[in-house]
Amino acid sequence: EAGVTQSPTHLIKTRGQQATLRCSPISGHTSVYWYQQALGLGLQFLLWYDEGEERNRGNFPPRFSGRQFPNYSSELNVNALELEDSALYLCASSLTGVSSGELFFGEGSRLTVL
Amino acid sequence: GEDVEQSLFLSVREGDSSVINCTYTDSSSTYLYWYKQEPGAGLQLLTYIFSNMDMKQDQRLTVLLNKKDKHLSLRIADTQTGDSAIYFCAESRSNDYKLSFGAGTTVTVRA
Repeated sequence: EAGVTQSPTHLIKTRGQQATLRCSPISGHTSVYWYQQALGLGLQFLLWYDEGEERNRGNFPPRFSGRQFPNYSSELNVNALELEDSALYLCASSLTGVSSGELFFGEGSRLTVL
Repeated sequence: GEDVEQSLFLSVREGDSSVINCTYTDSSSTYLYWYKQEPGAGLQLLTYIFSNMDMKQDQRLTVLLNKKDKHLSLRIADTQTGDSAIYFCAESRSNDYKLSFGAGTTVTVRA
């Protein structure tokens, strides 16, 4: 069974540009989470989608946005890129409403902003 | 994250036990987790404990929870070189399915 897949693996952009990152959850999982892993800051929660709806949002500016498609895959968009957006962006999926909350992570997309 | 704190580094000799500590702030945490991140990989769930438990053991891993002090620890017995990784503590709360993670503890196993 395929795990969570993310693309691209690496992405290099310049300040002010836009970045789009993609995530395919494990088959049967309807929840998708996005986290930012910046150097020395651990994982910061960005967004949670479930059944196509945004359910929760972390403390990030509106230029971080995303969506979830009918097939439960998801896209994260970062507009007006800033240098501090350089980070590893991790996507995770889970079954909806699993109280133990186990998340299955992809390997991440590394975004570098020059 | 601010709600979950961990020490950043731990160096341990191969064969010794490793103890990684974590503190959290929210008494309404329902589950507490330990995830492992190997170089170039995503996070992998190692184990989790429900907040009404004190201890959970799974092969070489022992999780201890002190709910009064909001302190969680992960003990790895007989640490091996393959245990070198970043270990993240995380917590979730009822009705809030996102996980809040600590900054991660980098464990280095030396021969």
